[in-house]
Amino acid sequence: GAGVSQTPSNKVTEKGKYVELRCDPISGHTALYWYRQSLGQGPEFLIYFQGTGAADDSGLPNDRFFAVRPEGSVSTLKIQRTERGDSAVYLCASSLSGSTDTQYFGPGTRLTVL
Amino acid sequence: GESVGLHLPTLSVQEGDNSIINCAYSNSASDYFIWYKQESGKGPQFIIDIRSNMDKRQGQRVTVLLNKTVKHLSLQIAATQPGDSAVYFCAETRGVSYGKLTFGQGTILTVHP
Repeated sequence: GAGVSQTPSNKVTEKGKYVELRCDPISGHTALYWYRQSLGQGPEFLIYFQGTGAADDSGLPNDRFFAVRPEGSVSTLKIQRTERGDSAVYLCASSLSGSTDTQYFGPGTRLTVL
Repeated sequence: GESVGLHLPTLSVQEGDNSIINCAYSNSASDYFIWYKQESGKGPQFIIDIRSNMDKRQGQRVTVLLNKTVKHLSLQIAATQPGDSAVYFCAETRGVSYGKLTFGQGTILTVHP
């Protein structure tokens, strides 16, 4: 597809479980971003990658959250020992390069932790 | 801490009216600002951006105004259409890490036919 895609679109898990969320950026985009959006709030920055490396991971809330982008394309956000407070929509975006290039967002993955 | 925007406000307008959506930011070091539109069930969609060395920028039916003195940003939509109904977010960033956008809480715009 032409846009950013995210899978799954919905994920329901139980407290304490491990989850992985996948993001496929727009082809050719070197920068990739993860955000989290709670109901009625704006997106909250988590991490962004320039190529394979994390350029800024200052938004990751704690060490239960980890993201990888091993080949500089697809990225996976990993959450260990999920908590109910992790329930949110996880948004991925990509841009042609970094800096002020426009970030194009995917539709998000809605994570529900029971 | 840093913040952009306030509690989620709403704006209702009639089709054809002009709409003005406001945003306050708190970090005086911010030097790049973006407006996004988000429809239900979708990710944010870029509308228009502005750098801190400008005070106005125009796009198609949209204008962004930046007042650095009072740290205020506004989005003007001309001849608002029902398809403009969505949540609008302002976001800011700065040179230390341009990839890190800080979003406000958004404004719900409802356009009545």
